[in-house]
Amino acid sequence: EAGVAQSPRYKIIEKRQSVAFWCNPISGHATLYWYQQILGQGPKLLIQFQNNGVVDDSQLPKDRFSAERLKGVDSTLKIQPAKLEDSAVYLCASSLRLAGASYEQYFGPGTRLTVT
Amino acid sequence: GEDVEQSLFLSVREGDSSVINCTYTDSSSTYLYWYKQEPGAGLQLLTYIFSNMDMKQDQRLTVLLNKKDKHLSLRIADTQTGDSAIYFCAESPFGYKYIFGTGTRLKVLA
Repeated sequence: EAGVAQSPRYKIIEKRQSVAFWCNPISGHATLYWYQQILGQGPKLLIQFQNNGVVDDSQLPKDRFSAERLKGVDSTLKIQPAKLEDSAVYLCASSLRLAGASYEQYFGPGTRLTVT
Repeated sequence: GEDVEQSLFLSVREGDSSVINCTYTDSSSTYLYWYKQEPGAGLQLLTYIFSNMDMKQDQRLTVLLNKKDKHLSLRIADTQTGDSAIYFCAESPFGYKYIFGTGTRLKVLA
């Protein structure tokens, strides 16, 4: 079974530039998550999709971050414009279902973003 | 509020047991998880425990849950150098949203 794929693995941009990350979840996984992991901290949920609908985006800085999952499969996360404090690893995860049982979240390798 | 706390570092000798502790705040958390993160990699689920359980054992891993104190621990028996990584606990209110701790960096000395 193929895992969660993310690209690119690394990205360096200057502040005020734009950047986009791509995630392809495990086939058949309805729920997709984007997390931000700042160095030395645990992952923080940015947005959660169930199929192509947003379930939770309460911690997404909507003035600069956006995400979509148009066909309910792969997803993109965009930052525009980037700030220095956006430097982090962006993790994508997927799971079979949303709630009601312990459905393991499978994580991709992440995209390490450096904003200079 | 939502806050999961862990100690930052733990160092043990190879062959000893490691105990990583975690405190959480949301009493409605139905599942509690332990994840492992190796350098440059994503998170890998090690084990989880349902909130109506006190203990769960899975090979070298033992999870203890004290709901009264909202305390979770992960014991790794016979710790090996390959166990060196960052360990995250996570709570899951109502079974869907994960709230991760700050992570404990385990260093195993040969």
